[in-house]
Amino acid sequence: DAKTTQPNSMESNEEEPVHLPCNHSTISGTDYIHWYRQLPSQGPEYVIHGLTSNVNNRMASLAIAEDRKSSTLILHRATLRDAAVYYCIPQGETSGSRLTFGEGTQLTVNP
Amino acid sequence: SQTIHQWPATLVQPVGSPLSLECTVEGTSNPNLYWYRQAAGRGLQLLFYSVGIGQISSEVPQNLSASRPQDRQFILSSKKLLLSDSGFYLCAWNLRGNSPLHFGNGTRLTVT
Repeated sequence: DAKTTQPNSMESNEEEPVHLPCNHSTISGTDYIHWYRQLPSQGPEYVIHGLTSNVNNRMASLAIAEDRKSSTLILHRATLRDAAVYYCIPQGETSGSRLTFGEGTQLTVNP
Repeated sequence: SQTIHQWPATLVQPVGSPLSLECTVEGTSNPNLYWYRQAAGRGLQLLFYSVGIGQISSEVPQNLSASRPQDRQFILSSKKLLLSDSGFYLCAWNLRGNSPLHFGNGTRLTVT
């Protein structure tokens, strides 16, 4: 299994950018890195995914290191609604159907 | 569009009683299906996953079992609940490859 390492917690102020790191040094060459977030008392929701190039969508941006051993989820302007647990997991041919999550990063957004 | 239904939303059961949680997916065919459990303040623990009808892979060989009687139906069961079975149970689905996981709203189970 490719394992990921994330900080247990991070804090940000409202309307400031947030950079959430994820280390995945053993990720296979064909697996994508996916990010999910889980709001309190809800199931996780998909945020973004990428393989090699940086990716942007309406929720966030994903910056992937050139060696693919790490990635960073970027929230450009944090809001109180972004307070959640953020998970990064590899998905693809090597990971197959067995999709496991780590403990994620608890993001606190201060008003 | 695809939707996932998971019920009930909350459940309180005595120790030793049976359990049946059901999850159904609409709007897609032959999805991968998953059951996860989350203890309070912890991450997601993969319990079971299925890539097709009757195909179940178990990660937690304890007193829980799963079945997939139909393509888009996934059931989590227990014959006798333990206190340690309390938690937030989440069903999820995705298609093959690197497609995103889609989660249900979860069932909060309290075993008393």
